[in-house]
This record gives sequence, C-alpha cells and structure tokens, in this order.
Amino acid sequence: NAGVTQTPKFRILKIGQSMTLQCTQDMNHNYMYWYRQDPGMGLKLIYYSVGAGITDKGEVPNGYNVSRSTTEDFPLRLELAAPSQTSVYFCASSYTGWDGYTFGSGTRLTVV
Amino acid sequence: AQTVTQSQPEMSVQEAETVTLSCTYDTSESDYYLFWYKQPPSRQMILVIRQEAYKQQNATENRFSVNFQKAAKSFSLKISDSQLGDAAMYFCAYRSSPNSGNTPLVFGKGTRLSVIA
Repeated sequence: NAGVTQTPKFRILKIGQSMTLQCTQDMNHNYMYWYRQDPGMGLKLIYYSVGAGITDKGEVPNGYNVSRSTTEDFPLRLELAAPSQTSVYFCASSYTGWDGYTFGSGTRLTVV
Repeated sequence: AQTVTQSQPEMSVQEAETVTLSCTYDTSESDYYLFWYKQPPSRQMILVIRQEAYKQQNATENRFSVNFQKAAKSFSLKISDSQLGDAAMYFCAYRSSPNSGNTPLVFGKGTRLSVIA
C-alpha cells in the first residue's frame, strides 16, 4: 500500500520557470490537500479538493494552480516561479471530512 | 477563522522523563476535531493522536496522551517515558466538523522537541 506519493522529492527552479508537483494516492480518498511549510510558520493550505472535478483555494493560493481530474491525482502547478515559493510542499489526503490526513513525504523546492 | 497557537517554539526533555507540549485554539464551534502530528527529521508527517470535541474522555495512544480542556480551548500533549525517537517537531491541528462545511486542517506553528540522553 503506497499511500500518498509525491514527486519529485527535491527540485531547484530558476526564477520564472514553471513546474508541476505530482501527488497520487491509492487509498480511494475523496479529500486531497496541498500545504506549504516554511520554517517557523507551520503548514499553510494552498488548495484542496473534496472530489474529482472540485477544487477550492486555501490560505495562500496565489502563484499556484491545481486540477483534480481523477480521484487518485491532485497535481500542483507553479507558474512563473518566484523566490517566495521556496518551501517544502506537502500533499495529503483523507477519506472523510473529519479524519486526520495521510501525508506524502514532501517536496523541497528551491527557487533561485 | 479558527487559529491554533503553540506557545513553545522549543522544548527539551531528559530520556525516560515526561514532557507536556501546549496548544490552544480559538473557535466558536462546539463540534470539532483536534490532532497532534509528529514530524521527525525525515520530514514525514505522522499522526500521533486524535480527539473528538464531543468526547470528554482524553485520548491515549501508548505513551502519548492529551489533556483536552474544552472550556479553556486547550489541547496539550503529554509524552511519558520519553525516548530518543520522540525528538521531532510536533504540530497541533484543528478541524471543524463536516457539518460546518468542508474545512481542512488548521495547523499551529509547531514545537521542536529535543530528547537528551
């Protein structure tokens, strides 16, 4: 049982480049989330989805886009990368709206 | 919006001793869920314990227990018989009841716990 799989684990981007962070879960979870973790700031919600075809903005959505075409996949797109997007990104999922999350192992992104 | 406050950025404990990590939250809701997550140096987020607000009994998982004070909006984590493997960042998190809509987890800023051999 793979759980939540995030790729890549590490990435360095140049300012202005774009990339997609991949997230896949094999637990048939309806709910999926993207958070970013900055030192001393905890985790802040970027986007989330309650099912295929449905996405909603979180606390810090600017500079990011998501899609949810299938239950399993929830990719996060960064357009025109900026140094402020240097962070660790976590994808997570839950089966219901009151469960805790299952997290992926995170992606460390550096924008230079 | 709900907020979660962890007032101790860093804590330390001697191996085999007990330590308590503090967490307070702000909400006007009566039904919600509270969580503690552990993040070791590997970066993986691991669920430690979960508490439903409607349950008066404090949750317990082996050496981990909580002191849930609903009126005070306090949710502290007690780690007994601390082990070197308990060294990690610990995050407190809040989640509204689904009856309030689809609200994701709100996290505190974390407490870094060091365990001294």
